[in-house]
Amino acid sequence: AQRVTQPEKLLSVFKGAPVELKCNYSYSGSPELFWYVQYSRQRLQLLLRHISRESIKGFTADLNKGETSFHLKKPFAQEEDSAMYYCALRAYNNNDMRFGAGTRLTVKP
Amino acid sequence: ETGVTQSPTHLIKTRGQQVTLRCSSQSGHNTVSWYQQALGQGPQFIFQYYREEENGRGNFPPRFSGLQFPNYSSELNVNALELDDSALYLCASKQGGDNSPLHFGNGTRLTVT
Repeated sequence: AQRVTQPEKLLSVFKGAPVELKCNYSYSGSPELFWYVQYSRQRLQLLLRHISRESIKGFTADLNKGETSFHLKKPFAQEEDSAMYYCALRAYNNNDMRFGAGTRLTVKP
Repeated sequence: ETGVTQSPTHLIKTRGQQVTLRCSSQSGHNTVSWYQQALGQGPQFIFQYYREEENGRGNFPPRFSGLQFPNYSSELNVNALELDDSALYLCASKQGGDNSPLHFGNGTRLTVT
């Protein structure tokens, strides 16, 4: 069965500090992994996906199949990064998108 | 470009009643999916429709049903409401194709008393 675990419900860092939001998954096949973000009073939106291998707003995430992880990282956090972050997995050839419980990131000035 | 819109924004129902939630997909999107988000949890996949046919379903009982219309708008129907059905219901649309990103609406907050 597919499962996504985000071990931290809350994460707080100071502006300019590095930030890492953890995501672990369980799935025996080839997953597609995503990070979605929800800023205050905005709708849930895609931040990045592993298949694109891109950096969005300074965030990157590398799929580590050995550790079954897809951690989201940013070297220097900004106050505008404060938001709710959800890791999500979709199995290959499957329309079922599984979300983690989310991590609320707060970047303090 | 019009985004995903959902109605109503809030709804209060009594246990045992039936409810219909509505969603207008983003222009040009032919795939719509519905999610249930309980307080403090991530969204849970209910089902997905592509060109008016259900083509994926999560672990929800049959009293959760849906429709997609030729204009790609969609409905989520829930029968025999239970207290645990209280949640935020999210609709998301996308262009067909597995690699397309989901575009979410703001959701409908359903409270069952």
